[in-house]
Amino acid sequence: GAVVSQHPSWVICKSGTSVKIECRSLDFQATTMFWYRQFPKQSLMLMATSNEGSKATYEQGVEKDKFLINHASLTLSTLTVTSAHPEDSSFYICSARVFGSLEDEQFFGPGTRLTVL
Amino acid sequence: SQQGEEDPQALSIQEGENATMNCSYKTSINNLQWYRQNSGRGLVHLILIRSNEREKHSGRLRVTLDTSKKSSSLLITASRAADTASYFCATAGAGNNRKLIWGLGTSLAVNP
Repeated sequence: GAVVSQHPSWVICKSGTSVKIECRSLDFQATTMFWYRQFPKQSLMLMATSNEGSKATYEQGVEKDKFLINHASLTLSTLTVTSAHPEDSSFYICSARVFGSLEDEQFFGPGTRLTVL
Repeated sequence: SQQGEEDPQALSIQEGENATMNCSYKTSINNLQWYRQNSGRGLVHLILIRSNEREKHSGRLRVTLDTSKKSSSLLITASRAADTASYFCATAGAGNNRKLIWGLGTSLAVNP
């Protein structure tokens, strides 16, 4: 149980285009989903916290107009990287908390590797 | 934001040996969690220890928590080549935002 999928697993795009990444909880409902960014050999950097039906809460220094987050249902959150540039190239990972859970355990998707040319 | 540090940053051992990783944090916590990440993949939750617990076991994993020193350790006994991965600790505060604060990670290599 508690499986999270991400799509696509990797994407290559041209500079200036927008890329949408989907994060789905497959066998549970997720009130809260988190979006992280990870650079090679580094830890996770939290970008934003996404709650179903409300606006995402962005971490300091993360541009909300650049990284659009939509959490339209209890099983789906999307991250759209708008007008992508090479510096946006990174590994993006989502995670989810189980609806009603009292624990803070997060279940992670497999990640999406974005390369912007 | 990063909570603290993990040490060592990198650890290389032989199969069958034990591996110990440490994590320090700065603020008061509700619980501390350990995750594993294989190269280029998402993270897998390993174990959660609450602030009122001192030690917890799960299979070959043993986690300790010392809230007075604001530190935790993860011990992997009888390591296997398949244990090669990066290991991260993460702390959850007592607040309602429920976000985790992550350590910098330890890269473990278990040589066959």
